[in-house]
Amino acid sequence: NAGVMQNPRHLVRRRGQEARLRCSPMKGHSHVYWYRQLPEEGLKFMVYLQKENIIDESGMPKERFSAEFPKEGPSILRIQQVVRGDSAAYFCASSPPLLERDTDTQYFGPGTRLTVL
Amino acid sequence: DQQVKQNSPSLSVQEGRISILNCDYTNSMFDYFLWYKKYPAEGPTFLISISSIKDKNEDGRFTVFLNKSAKHLSLHIVPSQPGDSAVYFCAASPVPYNTDKLIFGTGTRLQVFP
Repeated sequence: NAGVMQNPRHLVRRRGQEARLRCSPMKGHSHVYWYRQLPEEGLKFMVYLQKENIIDESGMPKERFSAEFPKEGPSILRIQQVVRGDSAAYFCASSPPLLERDTDTQYFGPGTRLTVL
Repeated sequence: DQQVKQNSPSLSVQEGRISILNCDYTNSMFDYFLWYKKYPAEGPTFLISISSIKDKNEDGRFTVFLNKSAKHLSLHIVPSQPGDSAVYFCAASPVPYNTDKLIFGTGTRLQVFP
């Protein structure tokens, strides 16, 4: 059973470009979470999605950031018109449906390191 | 507003001795706490958790202690091994019986030397 996969692992963008980060959850997992880690800081919750639904996006910046988890395919975190302050490591995590959880935890991917020049 | 705090950014311990990592939180509504371990270039991996109805949970070399009155928890690793060298994050769940939204501390980098 492959773990949570994220790609690309490293992404370089110039200011004003768009960044698309992809996350494939573990097989059988229905919940996806996105976190951002700025340098020297902890992980900050951004958004929590189930298939085709955003459940909680209270940690998402109001502008330029969006997330989706379509019925088919990976979850996408999209950052439009990137700025230098968007440079960070973005981690995705997944978890199974509530009724199937034996431990209350999230399984993390290796992260995408975004650098904005 | 940092609701989960790890005030020691780093800790250095000799192999075989005990490592104690500390975490403080501000919100008395937090009722479930987790520790994650993170190696460079990898995502965090779950280590151990504790519910607010307990004050101790043990799993092999790892024990987590919770002091609700002090809003403090700690992770003990004994004996420490070089492979334990990593960044350790404390996390709290702000919603009772639900860990869908975790609040993380800033992490403590543990180095275990021979």
